Amino acid sequence: AQSVTQPDIHITVSEGASLELRCNYSYGATPYLFWYVQSPGQGLQLLLKYFSGDTLVQGIKGFEAEFKRSQSSFNLRKPSVHWSDAAEYFCAVGLPFPNDYKLSFGAGTTVTVRA
Amino acid sequence: SQTIHQWPATLVQPVGSPLSLECTVEGTSNPNLYWYRQAAGRGLQLLFYSVGIGQISSEVPQNLSASRPQDRQFILSSKKLLLSDSGFYLCAWSFLPTSGSVADTQYFGPGTRLTVL
Repeated sequence: AQSVTQPDIHITVSEGASLELRCNYSYGATPYLFWYVQSPGQGLQLLLKYFSGDTLVQGIKGFEAEFKRSQSSFNLRKPSVHWSDAAEYFCAVGLPFPNDYKLSFGAGTTVTVRA
Repeated sequence: SQTIHQWPATLVQPVGSPLSLECTVEGTSNPNLYWYRQAAGRGLQLLFYSVGIGQISSEVPQNLSASRPQDRQFILSSKKLLLSDSGFYLCAWSFLPTSGSVADTQYFGPGTRLTVL
């Protein structure tokens, strides 16, 4: 069955430092991959998505992610973190037919930004 | 452009009372609609999804029910709330996938914080 693993439950990073969040997926074919961000008490906002083509995907808020088929990974990166990036981040994979109504979400990584 | 609304934003209800949470989508037709729950410190749990008016599928057995009386309206209900129903409820929508395709982007509403006392 398709699944998503986010190995890091919690990451603390200093403001201005770089950030990398890991995501590994289990999937037989080329997956549709997503990163979402959730600020406290808010809904999920789409940061970026990968369907095909260039394996380095640019998203909103200065985030990017790289799809690596050989490693079954879709890691999220930001070169310089801002205090407003403190949030929970979810990686997700789109499931294929007949479950093509459903996304499989990772458990999430909470990011804390220290001054 | 499409927008999704949820209300109320916050709700405090006693155990045994009824529940009705509403979600509406604007700017699109025939969306897939979803209800998720987040318990404190937990991930996302898909509760219900709908591919059309009156078509509801339940992902997990529970005390809740869902209805879709109109194309862009999705309602989450309960006749009698339990303490375990507390959580953050999120509604989401997506475009209908074409046959044989893969699930596409879901767009989330702002959520409803439900506290059952």
